[in-house]
Amino acid sequence: KAGVTQTPRYLIKTRGQQVTLSCSPISGHRSVSWYQQTPGQGLQFLFEYFSETQRNKGNFPGRFSGRQFSNSRSEMNVSTLELGDSALYLCASSLESQGGETQYFGPGTRLLVL
Amino acid sequence: DQQVKQNSPSLSVQEGRISILNCDYTNSMFDYFLWYKKYPAEGPTFLISISSIKDKNEDGRFTVFLNKSAKHLSLHIVPSQPGDSAVYFCAASGSSGNTPLVFGKGTRLSVIA
Repeated sequence: KAGVTQTPRYLIKTRGQQVTLSCSPISGHRSVSWYQQTPGQGLQFLFEYFSETQRNKGNFPGRFSGRQFSNSRSEMNVSTLELGDSALYLCASSLESQGGETQYFGPGTRLLVL
Repeated sequence: DQQVKQNSPSLSVQEGRISILNCDYTNSMFDYFLWYKKYPAEGPTFLISISSIKDKNEDGRFTVFLNKSAKHLSLHIVPSQPGDSAVYFCAASGSSGNTPLVFGKGTRLSVIA
């Protein structure tokens, strides 16, 4: 079975631009979660989607948004980019829900904001 | 408020010896715990998990111990190998559907040959 895939792997943007990242979960997995990893803060939860609905949201500003499609693929969007948005963005999938289940991670998208 | 804490940012161990990585949590609603291993520029790789109904789970060289009363878990790697050198993250969640994974900040393990 193929693992979680994320595109693009690397991205350079400038302040004020917007960016869309894509995630394809493991086949059969319906839950997709997004995390931001920065050196100082570790992995911070952004949001989780299940059956095309956002089921949980972390403590991030409204500039961060996402969606999930009927095939469980997910995208996240960051608008009006700031320098502090430079990070590794990780997507993880699990079968049904976050709780009590193992999440499997993709390789991440490294975003650099100049 | 850090709900999952890994108090040792780094650990060095000689090849062949035991590596013990520790993790503490504060939220008593957490009942499912996982360890992930992460190499630079890659996503975390799932290693092993444990639910709160157990106090030990073993998978090959990896064993996770859970002490619920102390809200503490540990990952033992025996014997340690140079390829185990990576950052290890502890994560926790509740078993109900709407509980996201909460991660510790990681411990960098260096296994010295």
